[in-house]
Amino acid sequence: DTAVSQTPKYLVTQMGNDKSIKCEQNLGHDTMYWYKQDSKKFLKIMFSYNNKELIINETVPNRFSPKSPDKAHLNLHINSLELGDSAVYFCASSQEGLAGRSSQYFGPGTRLLVL
Amino acid sequence: GQSLEQPSEVTAVEGAIVQINCTYQTSGFYGLSWYQQHDGGAPTFLSYNGLDGLEETGRFSSFLSRSDSYGYLLLQELQMKDSASYFCAVSAGATNKLIFGTGTLLAVQP
Repeated sequence: DTAVSQTPKYLVTQMGNDKSIKCEQNLGHDTMYWYKQDSKKFLKIMFSYNNKELIINETVPNRFSPKSPDKAHLNLHINSLELGDSAVYFCASSQEGLAGRSSQYFGPGTRLLVL
Repeated sequence: GQSLEQPSEVTAVEGAIVQINCTYQTSGFYGLSWYQQHDGGAPTFLSYNGLDGLEETGRFSSFLSRSDSYGYLLLQELQMKDSASYFCAVSAGATNKLIFGTGTLLAVQP
């Protein structure tokens, strides 16, 4: 059983195109995240939703728009793709337990290459 | 600002013990986590320290000193499969978001 799944796994596209990445978790978690990992493996949070409500919105170009139709899904739409958007995008989820403790479960990642 | 520092690379031999250090600067600190990521894979949760002291999970242990803004991950009885990148991450701020370090690439040699 896959806990956090993402589609597609690989995405190769041209500059200027619009693309979407989908994420689903079957863990019953309330919080979901999008991270970007660059070629130097630096992992940076982009967005977080808690029960469909946006709670974290880091300094991300407004070409990136997350959408959470329900608490098990968090999609990422990217408009007007640029070369610098090439990276691995990870979805993750967590369930807040004791204050401050939240192990995050990551999806397999979507490898985006913009040509 | 918020920052984390950890060594970029560590090399060790099978069966040995290795310690990966992490120092951090952040406001609204809740705790320090460690994640493992194999090449081409997803980060996976290893451990969490919210209070000072040592947490042990099998061959892995993690330590936190809040007063020193410092923690480490200790890996014992190293195996080849432990070759991976290890990230420390602080939980910080009102939203308890994770801020990751730049990762330490551990190479385990026979």
